[in-house]
Amino acid sequence: GAVVSQHPSRVICKSGTSVKIECRSLDFQATTMFWYRQFPKQSLMLMATSNEGSKATYEQGVEKDKFLINHASLTLSTLTVTSAHPEDSSFYICSASLAGGSDRETQYFGPGTRLLVL
Amino acid sequence: GDSVTQMEGPVTLSEEAFLTINCTYTATGYPSLFWYVQYPGEGLQLLLKATKADDKGSNKGFEATYRKETTSFHLEKGSVQVSDSAVYFCALSVGGGYNKLIFGAGTRLAVHP
Repeated sequence: GAVVSQHPSRVICKSGTSVKIECRSLDFQATTMFWYRQFPKQSLMLMATSNEGSKATYEQGVEKDKFLINHASLTLSTLTVTSAHPEDSSFYICSASLAGGSDRETQYFGPGTRLLVL
Repeated sequence: GDSVTQMEGPVTLSEEAFLTINCTYTATGYPSLFWYVQYPGEGLQLLLKATKADDKGSNKGFEATYRKETTSFHLEKGSVQVSDSAVYFCALSVGGGYNKLIFGAGTRLAVHP
């Protein structure tokens, strides 16, 4: 149980285009979803936290107009990288925590999306 | 602020060796503590967790005990396998409304036959 999927797993795009990444909780409802960025051989950097039906909370230094997050339902959140540039190339990982219950602290991670901007 | 410090890697071991990866934390309040594992090219998987002092989390032969007096959550395994080669992340949950996770830098483990 508690499976999170991401789509696509890899994407290559041209500079200036926008890319949408989907994060889905497959077998549970997620009140909260998180988006992380991971640089090679480094730890995860939290970008933003999103709650279903409300605006995302962005971490300091993350441009909310560049990284658009939508959390339209309890099983889907999307991250759109707008006007992507080569420096946006990275591994993007989402996670979700369970709605209700006693295990809201545990986050379940998706497999990640590798973005390469040419 | 809250933070997690892990021992630097890489850690290189022979199969069946004993593993310890140190993790210490600083936090206000009483965080929950986690170990996540990341296999090459994949996302993170929850390995184990502990929610209060003296709790021991365990899974797949790995163990870690929440030590409040030393603010530590060291990961141990008695006999590692080649398949344990991965990056291990220690993390704490700051709780509150959003339960944000703060991760350590990660420790790469390489196990050789």
